[in-house]
Amino acid sequence: DSGVTQTPKHLITATGQRVTLRCSPRSGDLSVYWYQQSLDQGLQFLIQYYNGEERAKGNILERFSAQQFPDLHSELNLSSLELGDSALYFCASSKTSGGVSGELFFGEGSRLTVL
Amino acid sequence: GIQVEQSPPDLILQEGANSTLRCNFSDSVNNLQWFHQNPWGQLINLFYIPSGTKQNGRLSATTVATERYSLLYISSSQTTDSGVYFCAVLSNFGNEKLTFGTGTRLTIIP
Repeated sequence: DSGVTQTPKHLITATGQRVTLRCSPRSGDLSVYWYQQSLDQGLQFLIQYYNGEERAKGNILERFSAQQFPDLHSELNLSSLELGDSALYFCASSKTSGGVSGELFFGEGSRLTVL
Repeated sequence: GIQVEQSPPDLILQEGANSTLRCNFSDSVNNLQWFHQNPWGQLINLFYIPSGTKQNGRLSATTVATERYSLLYISSSQTTDSGVYFCAVLSNFGNEKLTFGTGTRLTIIP
C-alpha cells in the first residue's frame, strides 16, 4: 500500500458525460501529480499541484481540469468524454516539488471506460 | 524535454533466470525511479535511485548518472515478476514532471 488513495477504482460512463476522479495524497506530501495511461501506452503526465497551486502542466486537454484543495486532496475533472478518454488515471504524491521532489508514490489508479 | 529509452522492449524468460533491464536518459537527472506495473495495473515502487547502487532482495539497481543510464537486475525470476518495468526520471533543468520510459514487458514462464 503506497498510502495514496484514489477513488473510484473503476468507472464506466457514456460519451459526452462528465466524471470526477479523486486523490488523497500520502500523509505529509504536498505535491500531487496526475498521469494518464491509455491501453498499452506509457504514462503521460497531465498536471501537478503543490500545496494548492498548479506547478506544472503536461498535455492535458482543455476538457480536463484539476484542483488541489486546502486539505491537499485533489480532483481531476473530465468532461465531454470521448471514447479515447478511456484509460487508467493515476495520481501520485511526493513531499516537495521540482528538483528535490524526492520519491513519488502512486495510487492504484482509476480505470475509466467510456462507452 | 528529456528523453527516456528502455531496452529491451520485451523479454521472455524461464522461471529461475536472471535479467538486466536498461534505462538510458538524455539529460542529467536528480530523480530516477524504477517501477513494476503488475498485470492488475498497479504501479509498485521498486527503487528511488538517482545515483549509486541499491539492493532489495532479488532485485538490485545501479544508476551511473554521469553516463546517463540505469540498470535493473532481477535474479532468480519468479512468475510474479511478470509485468512491465518502467524507468522514470526528473530532469535537473526545471521541468517538474517525472518522465516515464516506454517500459520493458517481462514475461516469466513456469
